[in-house]
Amino acid sequence: EAQVTQNPRYLITVTGKKLTVTCSQNMNHEYMSWYRQDPGLGLRQIYYSMNVEVTDKGDVPEGYKVSRKEKRNFPLILESPSPNQTSLYFCASSVRQSNEKLFFGSGTQLSVL
Amino acid sequence: AQKITQTQPGMFVQEKEAVTLDCTYDTSDPSYGLFWYKQPSSGEMIFLIYQGSYDQQNATEGRYSLNFQKARKSANLVISASQLGDSAMYFCAMREAPSRQGGKLIFGQGTELSVKP
Repeated sequence: EAQVTQNPRYLITVTGKKLTVTCSQNMNHEYMSWYRQDPGLGLRQIYYSMNVEVTDKGDVPEGYKVSRKEKRNFPLILESPSPNQTSLYFCASSVRQSNEKLFFGSGTQLSVL
Repeated sequence: AQKITQTQPGMFVQEKEAVTLDCTYDTSDPSYGLFWYKQPSSGEMIFLIYQGSYDQQNATEGRYSLNFQKARKSANLVISASQLGDSAMYFCAMREAPSRQGGKLIFGQGTELSVKP
């Protein structure tokens, strides 16, 4: 089954404790991206990757890191989480063309205390 | 600037009736994709329907259809024969050209649909 797998689904952590949210897709997609969703602000792109070893900043990259060592994986790293990073996070992937739909993971609800 | 506008924060519809969710967009790109996603209370983002800017016919997917009026820059979602399981948040989104941040999705603010039994 074609899917984007995100883990964990829920995460509660404390300020400053490094964490990684994993994302993996099995569709051989070139394009992968991370979004965060916040009430009143909608969904905003954090980082994206056009292919292996190619990553770039989205609209709200501060406080986040990503890597794309393999085509299928695109982890989101919070080196020193802060409470303002409490949010619902989505990983998404697609083939590269702009008219192709994005497949979304099931989301990660992160709470930073 | 590229933008998606959904003017209906919340809507109610009676079960088995049809409902239209409004979406207008603004872009200077000649090529773009328009999407509707459903987000139930469980939080996942479910793809519903897609319309390409060069598509001549309106897209349909089962009970979902997209009323695409290019000159008016509108892409309204029509849900026929509403079901209780349709109660959710609905997002209209536009995918930009790959040159714009890899072709990111721009989302509207969403419309919360409640289906009454």
